[in-house]
Amino acid sequence: QSALTQPPSASGSPGQSVTISCTGTSSDVGGYNCVSWYQQHPGKAPKLLIYEVTKRPSGVPGRFSGSKSGNTASLTVSGLQAEDEADYYCTSYAGSSSWSVFGTGTKVTVL
Amino acid sequence: EVQLVESGGGSVQPGGSLRLSCAASGFAFNVYSMNWVRQAPGKGLEWVSYITNSASTIHYADSVKGRFTISRDNANNLLFLQMNGLRVEDTALYYCARGYQWAFDMWGQGAMVTVSS
Repeated sequence: QSALTQPPSASGSPGQSVTISCTGTSSDVGGYNCVSWYQQHPGKAPKLLIYEVTKRPSGVPGRFSGSKSGNTASLTVSGLQAEDEADYYCTSYAGSSSWSVFGTGTKVTVL
Repeated sequence: EVQLVESGGGSVQPGGSLRLSCAASGFAFNVYSMNWVRQAPGKGLEWVSYITNSASTIHYADSVKGRFTISRDNANNLLFLQMNGLRVEDTALYYCARGYQWAFDMWGQGAMVTVSS
């Protein structure tokens, strides 16, 4: 159950876009369309942004989008806003033996 | 209001036990799978355990297998995590999280567990 790999940090100016990668293996990210993304502000619980690679729950702005290619999933935040400054985590289903694995997390800074 | 509220956290010595509870309200608890996810101070998220709505299927992370037990009481809308043989590295904020389409769509505010001598 090795954690999925995310860059430690990412940044962008207001209005710009930032993309965060989430790299796993064929046993997790690459093997299933079951990647989800979460936003966590300091001292708060995580919030679901994307599920099943590309789907957005009701209430999540369209600025947040997900994609996947091979063993790497990505989250793109378009039109960056100050309130997007937070930690972001991916997770993936990892099969019936390992079940679920989180990414290492990425801190997004809005310059 | 739809919410999850954890309780039962605290401080314990290595080798000790704690039982966390998660009270669900505002939704049909018996329809959803549930999970425990933890976050060590200043660290990332770690999935801990999963239980289906009927408790027919249960999974654990390797790091807690054999020491932690997940269970639920659908009649009273409660989720539990019995933690035995606690280690210093189990120190974390423990969240209960509702399962939805292989994701966690709703989270509580967490219960802090500190394991220290």
